Amino acid sequence: DTAVSQTPKYLVTQMGNDKSIKCEQNLGHDTMYWYKQDSKKFLKIMFSYNNKELIINETVPNRFSPKSPDKAHLNLHINSLELGDSAVYFCASSQDPGGKLFFGSGTQLSVL
Amino acid sequence: GENVEQHPSTLSVQEGDSAVIKCTYSDSASNYFPWYKQELGKRPQLIIDIRSNVGEKKDQRIAVTLNKTAKHFSLHITETQPEDSAVYFCAVYTGGGNKLTFGTGTQLKVEL
Repeated sequence: DTAVSQTPKYLVTQMGNDKSIKCEQNLGHDTMYWYKQDSKKFLKIMFSYNNKELIINETVPNRFSPKSPDKAHLNLHINSLELGDSAVYFCASSQDPGGKLFFGSGTQLSVL
Repeated sequence: GENVEQHPSTLSVQEGDSAVIKCTYSDSASNYFPWYKQELGKRPQLIIDIRSNVGEKKDQRIAVTLNKTAKHFSLHITETQPEDSAVYFCAVYTGGGNKLTFGTGTQLKVEL
């Protein structure tokens, strides 16, 4: 009954590969996010969707593409992975933009 | 965009002492100020929040104070316990940007 679930939990891959991270929330929230947490623990927003519409698109390389097939899902696809992409990626949701965030358990991405 | 500064970056206290973490922000239109706690290897979780029409809010051993004029807000933890050891993040929401901006985090260590 996890409120926000994301898979996989760990992702180890080679430079240049393409990978996806999936996220689902069962809270009935309208807004979903992707955050990146680097090795210094900085939490930086990447994307936000409200009712399947992209409302925040921070300065993120074009290699990162979010997709929201419905309000309960927000996936993240990354092309041509680079060493600097190694980080923990958190999916989150809230009832509306600026509301209490519920985070997923994170995906530890390691690019070798 | 919003600029959020958080201090200190690390804080070590003895069990039973109080801990205070301070954040400053730049956008006077900001109106929502949550605090998140992230234990090692876990997801960030909301512990307390305050809106701009309130100066102080308490929940058992934790409290948040807000000074809108000076554009800063603080987290106060009293009677600290070892389980309070974690990274604490402040955050600021500005409605115009639809975005929650996080501070850089404070590693709190409560020593026995």
